[in-house]
Amino acid sequence: GEDVEQSLFLSVREGDSSVINCTYTDSSSTYLYWYKQEPGAGLQLLTYIFSNMDMKQDQRLTVLLNKKDKHLSLRIADTQTGDSAIYFCAEKFDSSASKIIFGSGTRLSIRP
Amino acid sequence: EAGVAQSPRYKIIEKRQSVAFWCNPISGHATLYWYQQILGQGPKLLIQFQNNGVVDDSQLPKDRFSAERLKGVDSTLKIQPAKLEDSAVYLCASSPSSDRSYEQYFGPGTRLTVT
Repeated sequence: GEDVEQSLFLSVREGDSSVINCTYTDSSSTYLYWYKQEPGAGLQLLTYIFSNMDMKQDQRLTVLLNKKDKHLSLRIADTQTGDSAIYFCAEKFDSSASKIIFGSGTRLSIRP
Repeated sequence: EAGVAQSPRYKIIEKRQSVAFWCNPISGHATLYWYQQILGQGPKLLIQFQNNGVVDDSQLPKDRFSAERLKGVDSTLKIQPAKLEDSAVYLCASSPSSDRSYEQYFGPGTRLTVT
């Protein structure tokens, strides 16, 4: 079946690292994505990882993929107030329709 | 480069009325997507176009929802008649092609409230 699960909320102190976790069910996923949604805005693609990779780093963002456990995480280093948003994990299947399945999102809030 | 444009940004209608949303994708993008995002949930794909052809409309409630992309550029999504459960944000996205979905760009969305 197609399912992507995330925890609903995460609160971190400004300057600390944030780790947002995601689990997915379909092992045939080709791409896994992290999107950011700020209030009243559309989704912004933060980063993506191919299913044959274990890790991808891009400035303050680190994505880790554990295919065996079907677990994806996003680490944001030195979290800032501008990182407050909802973060969506998503997966894409290896099919001609290339449908992307989104999780329900994790709301990240930053404490001063 | 201009992003994905959508209008209107907000719409309030009564149940059983009709409503239409418009999307203009990024210039040159062949693939266009319509998503429904219910409050507290992730976006759900309603329909995907490749140029002016439908690639996937398996989750589109075809008894009340319709979408078209006649010239392979702009697209409209229509709901007729609307139900209370259609209250959601309708997001349009585009990508250069269906196999480059990692380059999918989203518009700001249209927030629909059905009363």
